[in-house]
Order: sequence, then C-alpha cells, then structure tokens
Amino acid sequence: GDSVTQMEGPVTLSEEAFLTINCTYTATGYPSLFWYVQYPGEGLQLLLKATKADDKGSNKGFEATYRKETTSFHLEKGSVQVSDSAVYFCALRGRGDYKLSFGAGTTVTVRA
Amino acid sequence: NAGVTQTPKFQVLKTGQSMTLQCAQDMNHEYMSWYRQDPGMGLRLIHYSVGAGITDQGEVPNGYNVSRSTTEDFPLRLLSAAPSQTSVYFCASSGEGVAKNIQYFGAGTRLSVL
Repeated sequence: GDSVTQMEGPVTLSEEAFLTINCTYTATGYPSLFWYVQYPGEGLQLLLKATKADDKGSNKGFEATYRKETTSFHLEKGSVQVSDSAVYFCALRGRGDYKLSFGAGTTVTVRA
Repeated sequence: NAGVTQTPKFQVLKTGQSMTLQCAQDMNHEYMSWYRQDPGMGLRLIHYSVGAGITDQGEVPNGYNVSRSTTEDFPLRLLSAAPSQTSVYFCASSGEGVAKNIQYFGAGTRLSVL
C-alpha cells in the first residue's frame, strides 16, 4: 500500500537558518504529494502541494519539488523564523483517491 | 467561514463509557474523514465517507463507528472506550475534482480514557 517516510525529529534551529525535512514515498502510479503544517494547539493546514512529477510547490517561503526518480518530496526553507515552529507532515493521495497517507511528522523548533 | 467544527475540544472518559465526537462542515464537501494522531505515528485514518449514506473503514477502524446521514455531519462514536483510544482526533473534509487536493481539518478533540 501507499506509505510515506519522513525525517525524524525533533529539529531545533536558530532563526535565519536553513531548514530541510526529507520525505520519501511508496505508491503505485502517480500520487499527489503534500506538506501539511500543525501549529501548537491547532489542526493541520495545507502548506503546499504538487500533483505531478517535477512540479514545485511553494508557500510562505517553503518549497518542495516532486521527484519521481527518487520518490521524494523534501521540504526546504532558506531562512526560518520563530513563527515557523510547528509540526510538519508529508502526505500523499493516490490518483483518483480521496484518502491521505501521512508520515509520522517532524517537530521543528526555531529559537531566536 | 466556520469550516470544519469539532466538539468537544477536550474529553475525559472512564474505561467502558461511550461517547460521540461531533464533526460538522459548512462547505458542502462530499468527502469527510476521521483521523487519530498519536506521537511518532502521524495521522492514521479511522473511517471515511464519500457522501451522505456512504461510509467505509480506514486503517484503524476497530472500536469506532460512524454514520453519515447528512452532507454536513460526520459523528464518530466510541461504543466502549479503552485506554488505547487515548489520542487526539481530527475530522477533515474535501470537495470534488481539483478540490480533492485540499483537505480542511478541524481543531481536534483531545480524548483521555482512564
């Protein structure tokens, strides 16, 4: 079945540091890929998405590129802020499906 | 816009008690789902529905029941709570077509079973 593996945390960074969170997936066909973010005490919200190979999703300074050849969708941000402290989830949705499969989540803490 | 509304936000149960977690959305979404979130395990799908009157099991359905009598509401029932059901529960919904790509989540219900 479909599955997502993402880098374990927690990750602690200083403000303005570079952030990368690795995500790889296993799926049949051509899934859509997502990064969701969960701020403390809140539900998940979509951060960015990519629906086909070589697509780059971007939002709020975060980027991720759908790499079919390496089955990866790594999340990056060049200069993090304290407000980026959150739990980040990589997820996939199979073609034609509604259901999401999530990775375990990576907790990121950014210190001033 | 209210989006996806979950109630209650917090609940403490004793083993063997029953309860219903409520979920309502006002976006006329066909697809709704319930997840549980446990440390180190991400979100796991409990049950889902692709429309009123249609429900199906997800990855971890045991101990939970659902029904979908209206498009708006998708309650999750715990018939006999167990400590293993201590978790944070999230309800989500999404629309059709390209709108499938965005699932909207509620704020969650934190449940403790003693």
